Amino acid sequence: DAGITQSPRHKVTETGTPVTLRCHQTENHRYMYWYRQDPGHGLRLIHYSYGVKDTDKGEVSDGYSVSRSKTEDFLLTLESATSSQTSVYFCAISESVTGVHEQYFGPGTRLTVT
Amino acid sequence: DQQVKQNSPSLSVQEGRISILNCDYTNSMFDYFLWYKKYPAEGPTFLISISSIKDKNEDGRFTVFLNKSAKHLSLHIVPSQPGDSAVYFCAASASSGTYKYIFGTGTRLKVLA
Repeated sequence: DAGITQSPRHKVTETGTPVTLRCHQTENHRYMYWYRQDPGHGLRLIHYSYGVKDTDKGEVSDGYSVSRSKTEDFLLTLESATSSQTSVYFCAISESVTGVHEQYFGPGTRLTVT
Repeated sequence: DQQVKQNSPSLSVQEGRISILNCDYTNSMFDYFLWYKKYPAEGPTFLISISSIKDKNEDGRFTVFLNKSAKHLSLHIVPSQPGDSAVYFCAASASSGTYKYIFGTGTRLKVLA
């Protein structure tokens, strides 16, 4: 299994509070991704990173920001959490982006915004 | 606009029989495809892949078929086992420019013992 951990694994927070989720990898992969999984939507890309300090938006980036100061860590921040951000969040990594490049996923963080 | 569609939310199959999971896509630029399996409370795990230069890829009990003209791919599991019960996602990406995968909404497979 790829060495990917996510913290926290579960979090309940109130509307309007900031929340930061952490993804940590031990594989030294260059590319990292944040997805959210919701019923009826599958997995949707929030943000991704193609190197330290290099990030870009995915298809559902509104209300989220990311940072990557080290190869191994990719942080996802909800600046002011809303109930629509209640979801399961997955981090993924990949070694390359050419050819059929597999992405390896972390165990997920279940976030509930009340 | 759902570019990758899995139109069957769920599927039940008897143990030992074949499971066929389907995936349709609309973007003709997609040329790399992955299948993932996901158990509850775990992250998706990579299962099998195929590129558009092939129409079939096999790995043990799992075979993926790609029909480019129909923009359709399918995952065959033979024989199905109870441990295969999970949600299966297909994902597609285009080699031209981006490395983003678009995922389908998933199909929940239940293999009955």
